[in-house]
Amino acid sequence: SYVLAQAPSVSVAPGKTARITCGGNNIGSKVVNWYQQRPGQAPMLVVYDDTYRPSGIPQRFSGSNSGNTATLTISRVEAGDEAEYYCQVWDSSGDRWVFGGGTKVTVL
Amino acid sequence: QVYMVESGGGVVQPGGSLRLSCAASGFTFGDDGMHWVRQAPGKGLDWLAFIRYDGADKFYTDSVKGRFTISRDNSENTLYLEMKSLRPDDTAIYYCAKGGGLVNYFEHWGQGTLVTVS
Repeated sequence: SYVLAQAPSVSVAPGKTARITCGGNNIGSKVVNWYQQRPGQAPMLVVYDDTYRPSGIPQRFSGSNSGNTATLTISRVEAGDEAEYYCQVWDSSGDRWVFGGGTKVTVL
Repeated sequence: QVYMVESGGGVVQPGGSLRLSCAASGFTFGDDGMHWVRQAPGKGLDWLAFIRYDGADKFYTDSVKGRFTISRDNSENTLYLEMKSLRPDDTAIYYCAKGGGLVNYFEHWGQGTLVTVS
């Protein structure tokens, strides 16, 4: 089965840029989606189809995907961005939806 | 505005059964595939099951195949998850989610319902 690997944590100072990576075998050939989950809340879609943002998501959130790594970039980080972030793909070979283990973003 | 509310969670003994519901509003429920996703305490997200917009196709993760059944009633705008032979490791918050795009992502999520197997 397809596996997605994420670093457990990332720390970033306010106003700086956070990069959250998601590793997978030839993940560039798949479509990657990203979710934000603040403590005690349900997940929320922040990037879909590698690079697109749903309505209401700030332009500070952007995605890229190539080779074996997909990346969620959060520019000009704010305190409210502190959350767990999950990458996700659809594994068509097994008709299953796969999540990475999540990365906790801490704003210093 | 898309709105989904899960219900039916609670405490159940190992080996027991439970039926979760997800009432949806704010979109044409019968047009969209739907999912169940769970999150064990302090753990990550775990996709469980998907049902096509018309109920014709269903997919499950291996750990729940044969124990959980996803279904839907498009006339009532409601999604269900029938769970049996529950185990302590099924303890989690259970979320319903609306499929997005070509159902490859989870566009909207409910607030979840807690299931405790103990």
